[in-house]
Amino acid sequence: ETGVTQSPTHLIKTRGQQVTLRCSSQSGHNTVSWYQQALGQGPQFIFQYYREEENGRGNFPPRFSGLQFPNYSSELNVNALELDDSALYLCASSSGGFTDTQYFGPGTRLTVL
Amino acid sequence: KNEVEQSPQNLTAQEGEFITINCSYSVGISALHWLQQHPGGGIVSLFMLSSGKKKHGRLIATINIQEKHSSLHITASHPRDSAVYICAVSRGANSKLTFGKGITLSVRP
Repeated sequence: ETGVTQSPTHLIKTRGQQVTLRCSSQSGHNTVSWYQQALGQGPQFIFQYYREEENGRGNFPPRFSGLQFPNYSSELNVNALELDDSALYLCASSSGGFTDTQYFGPGTRLTVL
Repeated sequence: KNEVEQSPQNLTAQEGEFITINCSYSVGISALHWLQQHPGGGIVSLFMLSSGKKKHGRLIATINIQEKHSSLHITASHPRDSAVYICAVSRGANSKLTFGKGITLSVRP
């Protein structure tokens, strides 16, 4: 196990609702990255947080937002959910940057009906 | 064309076989990652490399920067190696990871 935890494990929402996903990083890690993985696809980078600041963002609309707390845990918020938001959401923590090994959590499976 | 391409798409092997999974990329990179994903979603980082070769147990990863190509080798394969193997690249310390689609490996007993 990596020490990275995510909650909840599974979630079902309806279109238009809002959702908050949570990630606790591994001890000693100050960087959290969020990814969306659609069925049968590789993960897509959403954004990264480093020491509570956004440190890079992928090609996702503004309704995807995030937050990192002083203990380096993080939240991913998605507003106005769409059917295509159904996916596995993964977070990964590292001790800094993308050239460090990333430790992934087990993911949150979001289904939007 | 995707920045990261993996081949083959799916792979079936018999227990004990030597397996090679390939990854090609089309951009300059600072690091390449090999990741393993089991059913249910959990991803484990296997290797991160920027040159040469790394070995861990029965797994070997190599990278050729000039040819923009990396391979993951599994020696003496076992059914527990059955998983999706994903290649990802980063283009700088503050650059996002770009992932391939992954290869589904099934090792039959």
